[in-house]
Amino acid sequence: EAAVTQSPRNKVTVTGGNVTLSCRQTNSHNYMYWYRQDTGHGLRLIHYSYGAGNLQIGDVPDGYKATRTTQEDFFLLLELASPSQTSLYFCASSGGANTEVFFGKGTRLTVV
Amino acid sequence: GEKVEQHESTLSVREGDSAVINCTYTDTASSYFPWYKQEAGKSLHFVIDIRSNVDRKQSQRLIVLLDKKAKRFSLHITATQPEDSAIYFCAASMDTGKLIFGLGTTLQVQP
Repeated sequence: EAAVTQSPRNKVTVTGGNVTLSCRQTNSHNYMYWYRQDTGHGLRLIHYSYGAGNLQIGDVPDGYKATRTTQEDFFLLLELASPSQTSLYFCASSGGANTEVFFGKGTRLTVV
Repeated sequence: GEKVEQHESTLSVREGDSAVINCTYTDTASSYFPWYKQEAGKSLHFVIDIRSNVDRKQSQRLIVLLDKKAKRFSLHITATQPEDSAIYFCAASMDTGKLIFGLGTTLQVQP
């Protein structure tokens, strides 16, 4: 089974703080995704990537930066965290467009 | 951009009955329609998908139907079991790989 590892699993930060969420996949997948899950909003796509150095804008990118440093690693950066960014964040990967997507276990971020 | 609407926010069925979850999409260019299951407190995992070149696909107790004209697809779970209780998400994607999800349907299977 494809493995997607997120860290940290839980994070609490203050408003205005700087946060980096990390994701690593060891499946040689080209595509990686960052989603946030909120009650009443389902899963919303923040950023995604086709490969190392590539970044695509998702549907809710405001306040987030992302960087794909290698094929394995995809980072989500919140440079000035706000309470509205309190959420459950999922990283995911897939081998290509329109193929099965494998999700990590999620990072619960709380901004106080 | 693509929007996916999931029509049932909650669904309750009796064990052994069938459950049907309906979704619609907006972009006619969408060609891939997967379904994901999320059990309480856990992550999402893939259950079944359908591509635009077919209108029906079955995997054991799961059937997916696709009506391209109506831009509608549905998940049918037959002979439901308590372990089917979960949140089910439909999604749609074009060839870009940008996968857009619906809001989810909470399915409860009553013993």
